[in-house]
Order: sequence, then structure tokens, then C-alpha cells
Amino acid sequence: GQQLNQSPQSMFIQEGEDVSMNCTSSSIFNTWLWYKQEPGEGPVLLIALYKAGELTSNGRLTAQFGITRKDSFLNISASIPSDVGIYFCAGRPTSGGYQKVTFGTGTKLQVIP
Amino acid sequence: GAVVSQHPSRVICKSGTSVKIECRSLDFQATTMFWYRQFPKQSLMLMATSNEGSKATYEQGVEKDKFLINHASLTLSTLTVTSAHPEDSSFYICSAPEAAGGIDEQYFGPGTRLTVT
Repeated sequence: GQQLNQSPQSMFIQEGEDVSMNCTSSSIFNTWLWYKQEPGEGPVLLIALYKAGELTSNGRLTAQFGITRKDSFLNISASIPSDVGIYFCAGRPTSGGYQKVTFGTGTKLQVIP
Repeated sequence: GAVVSQHPSRVICKSGTSVKIECRSLDFQATTMFWYRQFPKQSLMLMATSNEGSKATYEQGVEKDKFLINHASLTLSTLTVTSAHPEDSSFYICSAPEAAGGIDEQYFGPGTRLTVT
């Protein structure tokens, strides 16, 4: 089946630093999603991408849909302690929320105040 | 908008008993809901797609007789773990698709932590 690999697996950063993480797929997706999950909670949607090459921002977060359709990147600028959590990418071969998605392996982010 | 709730948030049960988990869409209707399972330090794995008024669609390797899904209304889907065993202990999360703020995507519930003793 489809697999989404995220890197890095985990990272410790100093407050104020910028963060980059990426997600790669073995197959093409036409929708890329980025979620954040905090301990004991369900994932919260951060950014949705629908077009190859698309660059979308949500506050300090910026995500890009890779040109090859097999990867996506998430950047967080000027990190703050509340950015702590696990970031998951998710991909879908089609558009529309009624279609199932495949989740990535996750990147655990820890911010040192 | 697009709020999904789950009940209970935590449940502990004895091996061999059954447990029912509810997933509700609070401010929208959902003809489809998804059920995921997440083991500690792992990603979310889709278990099944719940369809209002029809049978659920299960992912490969998920036992439909063990994980019973009922989507009886446009705002409620239930997952029943039958004859639970310790290896069923996990974090169960549901989601429902909704077009909120112009984005048509899945919105997740807060999850249910199941511990089988």
C-alpha cells in the first residue's frame, strides 16, 4: 500500500528558530494535508494543498505541494513553545473530504524555551 | 464549525467484554465518518469508513466482526469493540468530512483512549 515517510522523525529546537519538515510518498497524491496532534487529542488540520507547486500559509506556518506530486514540505517560522506536538502529513490521490487519506509517520517537535 | 465529539474520552474494560465508542458531528451532518486507531508513538491507521444507512467499509486486515460499526443517523457513528483483549488497547479517533471555511476536509474528534485489562 501507499506509504508516507516524514523526516525528521523528531526534533528539538530553540524557541525562535525556524523549523522545516518534509513528507515523501511512493506514489502520486493530488491532495496534501498537514495536521498537528497534541498529546491525548485528535489531529487538527493546519493546511490543505490541492495543486502541484502550491504554496500556502497559515500564520507562521507555510506548506508547499511538491512539483512531482510525491512530496510536501512544512515550515514553521519563529517557533514558540505552543508549537510542541506531532506534525502529520496526509495524502490523498483525489480531491474531496469524503475520500480516505493516508497519514505519514509523523514528526515530533519539541521547543526549548 | 465542523466540530466532532467522541464519547467516552477514556474507558477501561476487562478482557472479554465489549465497549462502545460514539462519534458525533455537532454542527453539521455527516453521511460518512472514518474510524482510525493509533498505537503509542505511531501514526493513525484507518480502520473503516462508516456510511450512514449502509454497511461500513473495512480496511484490509481489520476484523469486521470484532469492530462493529453502526452509522444510524447523519450525526452519529458508533464503534463497538467486541470481546476486547489487551492488544485492542489503543487510541481510537473518528473523523468526518465537512466543507468548513471553504476547505472540504476531514475534521477529527478528540479521541477515545481504550485500555483493556
